[in-house]
Amino acid sequence: GQNIDQPTEMTATEGAIVQINCTYQTSGFNGLFWYQQHAGEAPTFLSYNVLDGLEEKGRFSSFLSRSKGYSYLLLKELQMKDSASYLCAVSSNDYKLSFGAGTTVTVRA
Amino acid sequence: TAGITQAPTSQILAAGRSMTLRCTQDMRHNAMYWYRQDLGLGLRLIHYSNTAGTTGKGEVPDGYSVSRANTDDFPLTLASAVPSQTSVYFCASSGTGEADTQYFGPGTRLTVL
Repeated sequence: GQNIDQPTEMTATEGAIVQINCTYQTSGFNGLFWYQQHAGEAPTFLSYNVLDGLEEKGRFSSFLSRSKGYSYLLLKELQMKDSASYLCAVSSNDYKLSFGAGTTVTVRA
Repeated sequence: TAGITQAPTSQILAAGRSMTLRCTQDMRHNAMYWYRQDLGLGLRLIHYSNTAGTTGKGEVPDGYSVSRANTDDFPLTLASAVPSQTSVYFCASSGTGEADTQYFGPGTRLTVL
């Protein structure tokens, strides 16, 4: 089966940096996705990693270590609009996604 | 561009009744998916379809059925609803490459009483 773990909640201050960790144990690996989901809305794509290393997209970066089964999403210069749930998802051998339960990030002024 | 639409937005359903949740995409994606999202459990795959005419079972398929008569539409049917099917249902679509992103519809909030 698939096992994807991420923290349930995190709180940070506006302007700060937050790192959301994700560990996974899956049958096969074809890449790791991060999605953002605001309350009451659909998940939206943030990033995709398939090779080890850091992918940077503006204020958001995502890191992957395949040997450790580990990824993190780094949110820099936090803004109030970044308050949302962040979902880690792994694409396995059959290319279907398995999702973690999500990390709710609350940004405080 | 509409992307993916779902209907209805929300529904209250009596236990034992049947219901079809509709999903339509205009991106010509081959693959489509149905997920349910429950507090603390994240998104769980119910059924999927890699191309028109084919469907497959996901992690939690019991009590649900799907069909894929064409590329655009992927309806989800609950034949006889039970309270444990109370959830938010998301439809998604993607290409079929390994790096293809899944795009999600706005969701249907279903309450079974």
